[in-house]
Amino acid sequence: GAVVSQHPSWVICKSGTSVKIECRSLDFQATTMFWYRQFPKQSLMLMATSNEGSKATYEQGVEKDKFLINHASLTLSTLTVTSAHPEDSSFYICSASRSEATDTQYFGPGTRLTVL
Amino acid sequence: GDSVTQMEGPVTLSEEAFLTINCTYTATGYPSLFWYVQYPGEGLQLLLKATKADDKGSNKGFEATYRKETTSFHLEKGSVQVSDSAVYFCALCSNSGYALNFGKGTSLLVTP
Repeated sequence: GAVVSQHPSWVICKSGTSVKIECRSLDFQATTMFWYRQFPKQSLMLMATSNEGSKATYEQGVEKDKFLINHASLTLSTLTVTSAHPEDSSFYICSASRSEATDTQYFGPGTRLTVL
Repeated sequence: GDSVTQMEGPVTLSEEAFLTINCTYTATGYPSLFWYVQYPGEGLQLLLKATKADDKGSNKGFEATYRKETTSFHLEKGSVQVSDSAVYFCALCSNSGYALNFGKGTSLLVTP
């Protein structure tokens, strides 16, 4: 149990377009979902935390208008990279936890975004 | 703020060698500590965790002990296998929230 999926796994887009990445908890309800960004050979950097039905909490330095996060249901969160630019190219990873009272997160396989 | 420092890789070992990957942390309060593993082409998987001082997490032959006096959570395995080749991330979760703070990751390559 505790499987998290992401779609798409890889996306290439032109500069200026918007890209939506989905994160789904397949066999459990995720009260909280997290979005991370991973640069090559670097650690995962937390971008934002989202709780179902409320606005996401963004980390310092992350542009909320550029990285739109929606957590409309207990099994789905989406990250939309608006007006993507080459510097947004990265590996985006989501994770989910069953409740707010747990420190265990289940990670999705990640989405590689390449902006041309 | 909270932070995690782990030894830089890549680490290359022969099969059946002993593995140690060092991890130290800085945090207020009493964080939970984790080791995650990322196999090539896959997402992060929780390898083991410890939630309080002197706890030992273990899984698949890997062990790590939560040492509050040295603020460390070193990962060890007595005999590595080729299939252990992956990137290993040390992480902490502070009591003030549930987001994970990751180290930079250590790449391990085990050769036959």
